[in-house]
Amino acid sequence: DIQLTQSPSTLSAFVGDRVTITCRASQSISWSLAWYQQKPGKAPKVLIYKASRLESFVPGRFSGSGSGTEFTLTISSLQPDDLATYHCQQYKSFPWTFGQGTHVEIK
Amino acid sequence: QVQLQESGPGLVKPSQTLSLTCSVSGASISSGDFYWTWIRQPPGKGLEWLGYTYFRGTTYYNPSLESRLTISQDTPKNQFSLRLTSVTAADTAVYYCAKEPYLDPYVEDWGQGTLVTVSS
Repeated sequence: DIQLTQSPSTLSAFVGDRVTITCRASQSISWSLAWYQQKPGKAPKVLIYKASRLESFVPGRFSGSGSGTEFTLTISSLQPDDLATYHCQQYKSFPWTFGQGTHVEIK
Repeated sequence: QVQLQESGPGLVKPSQTLSLTCSVSGASISSGDFYWTWIRQPPGKGLEWLGYTYFRGTTYYNPSLESRLTISQDTPKNQFSLRLTSVTAADTAVYYCAKEPYLDPYVEDWGQGTLVTVSS
C-alpha cells in the first residue's frame, strides 16, 4: 500500500495567516491526490482533486500544488470557518489510502 | 445533486456480521460513471478506504479486509451494501458510503456517515 504522511499533525494559527499542510507519499502518485476538509462530527468534503484542481464552490483561499511524492495544501488567509481536520488521499494505486490528518486550530 | 444515505444497526455483537446499506438518489448505480465506495473512520482516528462496487457488480476490496468484506448492489432499489463478518471492537467506526468518478476517482460525494459500535 502507498503510505501518506501529513505534517504537521496539529497546526495553530491566527485568522488571516497563510497556512500550509504537507502530504508526502511513499512512492510516486503522479497527480492523483485529493484534499478533504472534515469539520467536527461531519463527513469530509473534497476541496482539491488532481493535486491542484479546486472543487466547485470551494473558496479560492484554498489551493493545492505538487506532484510525484510531495504535495501541499495552502490556505492563503485562514478564516474561523476553516477550523477542521484536513486529510490527503491518493488514488493512484489500489487500495486508495489517506494521510493521518492535520488538525487546524484558530489561535 | 447526488445524495447518499447510510442505514443499518448501530450496535453489533462481537463475532457477528455488520450489514449496512447505502441509498443513492440523483445518480444510477448501474451506470459506468462512478465507483460506489465504503470508507470508515474509527473514533478519533483517520480514514480507511474499504472497497467499491462498480458497473455490473465488479468489486474491489482492501486486502486488509478482503476475507471478511462483501460489497454488493441492488440496482432496482438503487442501493449498494456492505457486509463485514466476524467483527471485533476494532471494527467500531463511523462508516461512510461515497461516490467516486470512474475517470478521476477522488471521493466526490459522501454520505453523512453512521456509527457502528461492536460490543456485547
